[in-house]
Amino acid sequence: DADVTQTPRNRITKTGKRIMLECSQTKGHDRMYWYRQDPGLGLRLIYYSFDVKDINKGEISDGYSVSRQAQAKFSLSLESAIPNQTALYFCATSEAGLVGDNEQFFGPGTRLTVL
Amino acid sequence: SQQGEEDPQALSIQEGENATMNCSYKTSINNLQWYRQNSGRGLVHLILIRSNEREKHSGRLRVTLDTSKKSSSLLITASRAADTASYFCATINTGKLIFGQGTTLQVKP
Repeated sequence: DADVTQTPRNRITKTGKRIMLECSQTKGHDRMYWYRQDPGLGLRLIYYSFDVKDINKGEISDGYSVSRQAQAKFSLSLESAIPNQTALYFCATSEAGLVGDNEQFFGPGTRLTVL
Repeated sequence: SQQGEEDPQALSIQEGENATMNCSYKTSINNLQWYRQNSGRGLVHLILIRSNEREKHSGRLRVTLDTSKKSSSLLITASRAADTASYFCATINTGKLIFGQGTTLQVKP
């Protein structure tokens, strides 16, 4: 079984709809991250959480919110989806420690299309 | 803003040839990481090199780091079709791991 799972894997929705993307991990890591990937722009950090009580904004948090329900679960919500949020979304985890000292483990991604 | 920038953006080689991709970054770093992404899939960690290291090897991968030039290179020797993927460097900026835009490598059989 995969260590980091994301649901759904693909989603097509309409402008204005509320969407939730879910991430679960079995690695026992405290730290979790949400990224979006657009062609030609690489990965950009949306939100990150260093533990259940810690939530931080990344580079591009506008239009998104997150919830860390448990150590193993980190959800990303789009309250009112818009077409320019069409992208590939990745969840990742890492061990605690100095940022950048530990590798990040990525889920398989969610392809979101907003019409 | 991007901390690391990879060069070239795209690279196409024949199987068996070596592939070299470069990463430049802007601020001082403690370490630099390289990741691989197969098309449409999650990133996979390849190697981490610390600022006090100049070179590191892992199988067919060789990573160098030149902190004076703020640059790193990833060399894949004797490439295989299975090495076809995008490769990203990642460094720390304002306390967060920031990924470059990636180099897309195509290895032709």
